[in-house]
Amino acid sequence: EVQLVQSGAEVKKPGESLKISCKGSGYSFPNNWIGWVRQMPGKGLEWMGIINPNESVTRYSPSFQGQVTISVDKSISTAYLQWSSLEASDTAMYYCARHARSSGSRTLDHWGQGALVTVSS
Amino acid sequence: QSVLTQPPSASGTPGQRVTISCSGGSSNIGSNTVNWYQQLPGTAPKLLIHTNDQRPSGVPDRFSGSKSGTSTSLAISGLQSEDEADYYCAAWDDRLYGWLFGGGTKLTVL
Repeated sequence: EVQLVQSGAEVKKPGESLKISCKGSGYSFPNNWIGWVRQMPGKGLEWMGIINPNESVTRYSPSFQGQVTISVDKSISTAYLQWSSLEASDTAMYYCARHARSSGSRTLDHWGQGALVTVSS
Repeated sequence: QSVLTQPPSASGTPGQRVTISCSGGSSNIGSNTVNWYQQLPGTAPKLLIHTNDQRPSGVPDRFSGSKSGTSTSLAISGLQSEDEADYYCAAWDDRLYGWLFGGGTKLTVL
């Protein structure tokens, strides 16, 4: 069974750093990209970026370029999303999702349970 | 502002058929397959339709998807109270080289 398990909820102060994780299991982790999606309170889904675990190559949405860093440790089948200096506007639920490709189609087919990040002074 | 455009809300009574539309452009829906997600309150999005019209195992056949040109739609027949959720369309965008989501449609079962 494919599973993506994310780290738990975090409460941080503005200016603090944070790294959240997403551990994949039940499939070949290096062979599927991992994407990150933000959902601000009461709002829709926003794609943040994606990483190829095999090569650690990343692609960011222009809206998030320079704001976050996506990384991976394929030896432990885990992807990361990190901030160097959080702002209150980073308060949101963050989801990781497996990016599956086959026969010309692309799908974010399996999602983590989400990690709630709250930034407040 | 989302590049994929969905109506913000839709509604229907139990047993009715409801359709949710999603429109995009040539670099996303026009040249790539479309996925639909259901997000129940307080839960992660769940894949409902992939590759325009394919249902993952376990998804009832009351849910169906279609695509024509740069538009796509999700149809739900035999509406049930448990279908009350937010629905999102999504497609890969070749110019962005990334994912685009619709703004989401909140479905209310009256």
